[in-house]
Amino acid sequence: DGGITQSPKYLFRKEGQNVTLSCEQNLNHDAMYWYRQDPGQGLRLIYYSQIVNDFQKGDIAEGYSVSREKKESFPLTVTSAQKNPTAFYLCASRPGGGAGNEQFFGPGTRLTVL
Amino acid sequence: DAKTTQPPSMDCAEGRAANLPCNHSTISGNEYVYWYRQIHSQGPQYIIHGLKNNETNEMASLIITEDRKSSTLILPHATLRDTAVYYCIVRGYNNNDMRFGAGTRLTVKP
Repeated sequence: DGGITQSPKYLFRKEGQNVTLSCEQNLNHDAMYWYRQDPGQGLRLIYYSQIVNDFQKGDIAEGYSVSREKKESFPLTVTSAQKNPTAFYLCASRPGGGAGNEQFFGPGTRLTVL
Repeated sequence: DAKTTQPPSMDCAEGRAANLPCNHSTISGNEYVYWYRQIHSQGPQYIIHGLKNNETNEMASLIITEDRKSSTLILPHATLRDTAVYYCIVRGYNNNDMRFGAGTRLTVKP
C-alpha cells in the first residue's frame, strides 16, 4: 500500500522533554509538511520541505525543528521550548511542482505532554 | 496566498444537496481553489480543486464564479458520513505551502 505513515497514534511525554514524531511516505513525493491542530481549530503550518536537505518555516515554527535527510522521511522534533505542545500533529506530502497537485495526509499523532 | 472566508457551521438533511460557500475575494489569476474535508480525529481528505472552470468528480462538484472571488462545493446527495469539517484553500501555482483556515463544520442530519 502506498501512503503516509505517522507513528505512534498516541504519544505521552513529560514536560521539558524533547520528543520526535515520525512521518514516512512511500509515494515518491517531493514536498512534505507538518501541521498542528488544536481542539476545534483548523490546521496551522509548522514546517514544510520541498526537496531533500531543504525546509522552510511555516507560521508557528518556534519550538519545533525538522530534518529532511531522505525523500521519504520528514521527522518533527517538539522541543522543550514549545510552550504548549499538547496537540494533534498531522504530516502531509505532495508531488513537487505546480499548484495542481493535491496534498495527502497521514493519520496524525496525538501528543499529550503531562 | 489569498485568504478565504467560510461560514463556521452548516446543517444539511440526509439525501439533499449540501452547498458549502467560500469567499476568496483577493484571489489572483494563478491561484487554485482546493477543498478538503476532515472527519473527526483523522487527517484531512482531498475532495476537489479548480482554477477557473467548474469541476466535478465522484465526490463533489466545484462551482467557481466568473470573477473567481467565490466558489461553492456541492455534495449532491449528502449522507451521514459526509459530516465533517470542510476546508476551502487558495494556493498559488508556484507556492508549495498549503494553509488551512477554520473551515465549515457540516452536519448531515437524518
